[in-house]
This record gives sequence, structure tokens and C-alpha cells, in this order.
Amino acid sequence: DTGVSQDPRHKITKRGQNVTFRCDPISEHNRLYWYRQTLGQGPEFLTYFQNEAQLEKSRLLSDRFSAERPKGSFSTLEIQRTEQGDSAMYLCASSPPAGWRYEKLFFGSGTQLSVL
Amino acid sequence: DAKTTQPTSMDCAEGRAANLPCNHSTISGNEYVYWYRQIHSQGPQYIIHGLKNNETNEMASLIITEDRKSSTLILPHATLRDTAVYYCIVYNQGGKLIFGQGTELSVKP
Repeated sequence: DTGVSQDPRHKITKRGQNVTFRCDPISEHNRLYWYRQTLGQGPEFLTYFQNEAQLEKSRLLSDRFSAERPKGSFSTLEIQRTEQGDSAMYLCASSPPAGWRYEKLFFGSGTQLSVL
Repeated sequence: DAKTTQPTSMDCAEGRAANLPCNHSTISGNEYVYWYRQIHSQGPQYIIHGLKNNETNEMASLIITEDRKSSTLILPHATLRDTAVYYCIVYNQGGKLIFGQGTELSVKP
């Protein structure tokens, strides 16, 4: 496995700007997850895709957040009009199809967002 | 919401076994117990999982009580590199992982 890749590793932006993060999952993994983590807390689920379909979105995902996975491979997470409260680590994870081998999520190293 | 209860922090001497407890009294029959850990500034890493039988792999052992209401993760010979936050998660395969606060394990020389 080449691992889950996230880009950029760090992002500093000014309040009100838009930002976009990219996640490249492990090939053959049809499920992709986004999580957000603030200091001292466990990761919080945001949304997940099975292939290109977005199957679930958390109430944490406000209208300013949008995630896509257009061809069922890489995914993007966009935050519009960023606020200081959006400062967090954004984690992406992927997993193989249900029932294939056994289930576990593989996480990337995350994108650390700082909103000034 | 997380369905597990873990101690906030634990210490362990290097070379000794680290035993991390987890309570999951509301676990249902088709839910698994998963353990992940997160080393500072990295994404969570899968350790082990089980349904009702004890499990062992190259990283750790998982002991699940007969009533499945609690479990213990065992790192048999803890090293400094095992210092991390350990998350115990009750997971319905095909769903999503819900993380709690985890246990911050400090392995000391």
C-alpha cells in the first residue's frame, strides 16, 4: 500500500478566504472519509463517500463546506469564507469495500489549517 | 456519540506490558471493537480489532470479556515509540468510526 496522501500538509489563510484540500486514497479503496480534529480532541467525522456517491454528511459540515469525489478516486474538501473556528487538522481516510479482506481505515497525515 | 469509556491518561515503564482498558457496555451483537492509535502530528493508525474472541497480531493483543462489555488492549513490551493516544472504538462494519477522547499513553524510560 502506498498510503493515503493529503495535500497540502499545512495551509495558512486569512479569514474569509476559500481553501481546498485534496486527498488521494489507496487504490482499490472505494470508500473515502473526511474527519476534522482540533487540539486535544479525537477526530470528528465529517463525511464519507462510497465510490463517487456522498453517502453521509455530519451536522458539523456547514453550508460553507463541500466535498467531492468526482470519479470515485481522489477527493477534495473545500471551505468557503473561512472562519477562525475552522482552524483544525483535516484528516482523510480510505477503506476497501465492505467484506473485502477485513475492514480498517487507513488515514493520511492530514492537512493542518490555520485561519488568521 | 462515542460508545466507549477510557481513562484519560496512563503511564507505562519502557519494556513492561501496557494494559489499556475500555468499557463498552452498550455494544450490540454485530458491533466490533477496534483500536487505533495516534502519534503526535500523524493520522490515526489501525492496531487491532475483534468481535468476541481474543485477538493477537504483531502489534498487540486484544482481550474481550465474555459479556463483551469491556476489553483490554495489551502492548506486551512497550517502547518509547508507543507513546501515543489510543482510541477504543465500537464499530459497525460498513459504517463510520466515531472517535472518543482516547487514552494518552506515556511510555517512560
